[in-house]
Amino acid sequence: DTGVSQNPRHKITKRGQNVTFRCDPISEHNRLYWYRQTLGQGPEFLTYFQNEAQLEKSRLLSDRFSAERPKGSFSTLEIQRTEQGDSAMYLCASSLSGGLTNTEAFFGQGTRLTVV
Amino acid sequence: SQQGEEDPQALSIQEGENATMNCSYKTSINNLQWYRQNSGRGLVHLILIRSNEREKHSGRLRVTLDTSKKSSSLLITASRAADTASYFCATDARRAGGTSYGKLTFGQGTILTVHP
Repeated sequence: DTGVSQNPRHKITKRGQNVTFRCDPISEHNRLYWYRQTLGQGPEFLTYFQNEAQLEKSRLLSDRFSAERPKGSFSTLEIQRTEQGDSAMYLCASSLSGGLTNTEAFFGQGTRLTVV
Repeated sequence: SQQGEEDPQALSIQEGENATMNCSYKTSINNLQWYRQNSGRGLVHLILIRSNEREKHSGRLRVTLDTSKKSSSLLITASRAADTASYFCATDARRAGGTSYGKLTFGQGTILTVHP
């Protein structure tokens, strides 16, 4: 499978628990993005990596959120002390960036988080 | 924050008709991309148009870009029931030096319903 893979697809957790999501990008892609999407809204940017370097974090990303991309391959997004407001679809995307501009991004199927 | 704003928010048409969706944005861009999302699924890349292009075609899709008005449109010709989905525009904003900010900023989307 050469697409972007996200695990798990669904996660139900109790408020206050920690959760971790994984994203495996397309293998030759050097950029990896995390987005969050709530019902009826477009995806909101959270953070992105160029290889293993985290280049930008949105103000939406509170201290409870942390993302890593060790070795520039897969990435993890951890949410600590989850709150009901964290309930959303978490989308991962990857792209091949070179030169001045970006190319198209390929998205995974997302991880739907429900905090109860 | 959302940069792109799609119009209309919802569009309902009969199979065989054409569907036109518009997107407006606020900053200078390197490219603009359109994505489709079926309910509860990830986003699928449709087409990318660069800032120096005015029109692009892909199958039944036609995208136009007017950088002076900071707007784009997506036309789907001869629509099919399978085209029912949400459609998002996403912009790759340009820095003063011409490079990309590195992230895509999405609008809130247009929900297209095609009735058989």
